[in-house]
Amino acid sequence: NAGVTQTPKFQVLKTGQSMTLQCAQDMNHNSMYWYRQDPGMGLRLIYYSASEGTTDKGEVPNGYNVSRLNKREFSLRLESAAPSQTSVYFCASSEPYRQGSYEQYFGPGTRLTVT
Amino acid sequence: AQSVTQLGSHVSVSEGALVLLRCNYSSSVPPYLFWYVQYPNQGLQLLLKYTSAATLVKGINGFEAEFKKSETSFHLTKPSAHMSDAAEYFCAVSGSGGYQKVTFGIGTKLQVIP
Repeated sequence: NAGVTQTPKFQVLKTGQSMTLQCAQDMNHNSMYWYRQDPGMGLRLIYYSASEGTTDKGEVPNGYNVSRLNKREFSLRLESAAPSQTSVYFCASSEPYRQGSYEQYFGPGTRLTVT
Repeated sequence: AQSVTQLGSHVSVSEGALVLLRCNYSSSVPPYLFWYVQYPNQGLQLLLKYTSAATLVKGINGFEAEFKKSETSFHLTKPSAHMSDAAEYFCAVSGSGGYQKVTFGIGTKLQVIP
């Protein structure tokens, strides 16, 4: 099993450009998440999908959109990138409906720089 | 509502010394608690979790944590630090039963001095 995979690993954008970060999991998990990690701020939830067909805003959704394409895939889109979106982005998945589970499994991250 | 406070954003220990990373939580429902580790340029990996079974939880790499309800704490310990333990550690809390959001602390960077 590959677990959670993310593409790309690195990306440099100019202000105003758009891009989509891709995430896929092969663990048949119902729930998926997008976080950003910034120094001194821990992980902040951008959007999440509790189950296929649903998405909800997290703590810092402004400037982002998401698509839960199917049970495996959850993408994050930046429509018009801003320097404040320079960060490391992590995708995660979990299976909260299985007793004794609940932990999240993380991808390796995408390092995004917006100039 | 739930929150996590990690005391000390940076902790330094000597190789072979006790590692103690502090985590206090706040939760309006019985919590599930987690410790994750992040090595440089990698994602987070689960170290251990408390899901209302034994209050003393053992994890990978010799780490353990004790759930103390009266103190609302879930501190992470390891008797003897190894150079390979240098990483960032995150405490996290969620509710129990069905879908629950997870709230992460801001992380503690552990430095191990040879």
